[in-house]
Formats: sequence, structure tokens, C-alpha cells
Amino acid sequence: NAGVTQTPKFQVLKTGQSMTLQCAQDMNHNSMYWYRQDPGMGLRLIYYSASEGTTDKGEVPNGYNVSRLNKREFSLRLESAAPSQTSVYFCASSDPWLATEAFFGQGTRLTVV
Amino acid sequence: GQQVMQIPQYQHVQEGEDFTTYCNSSTTLSNIQWYKQRPGGHPVFLIQLVKSGEVKKQKRLTFQFGEAKKNSSLHITATQTTDVGTYFCAEVSNAGDTSYGKLTFGQGTILTVHP
Repeated sequence: NAGVTQTPKFQVLKTGQSMTLQCAQDMNHNSMYWYRQDPGMGLRLIYYSASEGTTDKGEVPNGYNVSRLNKREFSLRLESAAPSQTSVYFCASSDPWLATEAFFGQGTRLTVV
Repeated sequence: GQQVMQIPQYQHVQEGEDFTTYCNSSTTLSNIQWYKQRPGGHPVFLIQLVKSGEVKKQKRLTFQFGEAKKNSSLHITATQTTDVGTYFCAEVSNAGDTSYGKLTFGQGTILTVHP
């Protein structure tokens, strides 16, 4: 049982480049989330998807887009990367109506130069 | 902005000493969860507290939820080197919200344990 799988684990981008972070879960969860983690800031929500076909902005959505491709997959896209987007990104999933515990992927360490 | 404040930001202890991290909110929390993140790892769920004054224990870890549901604490008795990591509290959005399940994290407390 893989849980939540994120790719890639590491990425270096030049300012202005684009990329997509992939996330897939195999726990049949309805809800999926993208967080970013910066030193001293905890984890902050970028976007979330409460169910297949819906997405909503979180606390820090600027510069990002998301796609809930199906129930399993939720991708995060940076259209034009900026140094301020250097961070560790975590995908998570949960089924709040059954249990609110969130399961996190291994994280993507992104550096924008 | 951040609604859950967590202190301290760092804590260094000798192995065998106790450790406590605190979360505080200016508003009533619907519930509180605690997560542990090992260095280089991802957050892993520890526990959820829902009721006012609730106390739960997991071996050497004791979790408390304040009577007013505005604060929570995690206490580790007799720390071990395996306790090293960052401990986060997080509030889960209300069941009545369409965003139910969304987490608002505290800033985290980084614990180091010297053998």
C-alpha cells in the first residue's frame, strides 16, 4: 500500500520556467491538498480539492494552478517559477467524513534560481 | 493568516529530560491534531483532540486540549533520541465547511535531543 506518492523528490528550476508536481493516492480519499513548508512558517495550504471535480484556493495560491485529474491524482503547476517559490511541497489526502487524519507524500524539494 | 500560534520554535534537551510544546489560538478551536515530522521526512499524524479538557496518552507522549478549547499541549516524558523532529499542531476546518478536512498548522517546534 503506497499511500501518497509525489514526484519528483527534488527539482531545480530557473526563474520563469514552468513545471508540474504530480501526486497520486491509493486510499480512495475524496479530499486532496497541496501545502508548502518554509522555515518558521509551518505548512501553509496552497490549494485543495474536496472531491473529484472541485478545487479551491488555500492560504497562498498566487503563482500556482492545480488540476484534480481524477479521484486519485492532484497536480500542482508553477507556470512561471520565482525564487519566492523555493520551498518544500507536500501533497496530502484525507477522507474527513470517515477520519480527519491526513496522509502526506514524501515531499518535493524545489529550488528556483 | 496564521490562527494557531505554537511555541517554542526550538527546544534543545538532554536525553532523559522532558519536553513540552504549546499551541494557542485567539479563537475557539473546533479540534486539534498533532503531527511529527522527522528530519528530511514528511508529517505523520499522532493524535486528534476534540473535547474540552481532553487528555490522551501514547506511551511517553501526553496530549491535552484546554478547557476553553483555545490551547493545546504535547508533553514528552524522558525524551529519547528517537523523539528528534518537528512537532506541529493543526486545526481541522469545521465539519460544516465545504473545506472540511483542511488543516491550519502552527509554526512547529523543532526538538533536538542530545545523547
